[in-house]
Amino acid sequence: KQEVTQIPAALSVPEGENLVLNCSFTDSAIYNLQWFRQDPGKGLTSLLLIQSSQREQTSGRLNASLDKSSGRSTLYIAASQPGDSATYLCAVSLDAGGTSYGKLTFGQGTILTVHP
Amino acid sequence: EAQVTQNPRYLITVTGKKLTVTCSQNMNHEYMSWYRQDPGLGLRQIYYSMNVEVTDKGDVPEGYKVSRKEKRNFPLILESPSPNQTSLYFCASSLLAGGWNNEQFFGPGTRLTVL
Repeated sequence: KQEVTQIPAALSVPEGENLVLNCSFTDSAIYNLQWFRQDPGKGLTSLLLIQSSQREQTSGRLNASLDKSSGRSTLYIAASQPGDSATYLCAVSLDAGGTSYGKLTFGQGTILTVHP
Repeated sequence: EAQVTQNPRYLITVTGKKLTVTCSQNMNHEYMSWYRQDPGLGLRQIYYSMNVEVTDKGDVPEGYKVSRKEKRNFPLILESPSPNQTSLYFCASSLLAGGWNNEQFFGPGTRLTVL
């Protein structure tokens, strides 16, 4: 069974710092990996999606990398801002044939606080 | 506006009283999915649907039913709710389950309390 772990569970940084969030998964047979953010009391917003054949994706100040063979992904946030404060979740979809790639497993998230 | 809507947003009910949480998307997405989110357990997938009339179990399907009779709607049915189904529920959709258009759009959530 796929297990997804995110480290650290919580992170507090001053504004302007560059930071890295980590995501690891136990089964490397993934179809893709997504990073989401969740604001308190809200739904999830998709940030980046990396296909299993890709190494990284970038969107603005965000960069996500994927090392499928070692079961790891990182989300790099450059020049952090207080508006980046949220919970960040990673999720992997399975690649086991048939309709398995619709099955998603989430990590527990990293709670990020960026203080002015 | 492209969106995923869920109703109701909040629901308090009693054990055993059948309920349905509706989910609708206006983006012509093929893939839809239901999740529950619990403190300490994170977000877990209940059921997903690759397209009309095609549904599959996620990690925690027990006690839930779904149906996908039309592309835009994917209701979640609790035939006999129990207190351990008290949770925050999210519906999500994406254009396709796999491939390059798998970005998922989430609804605002339904907070369910079963007494």
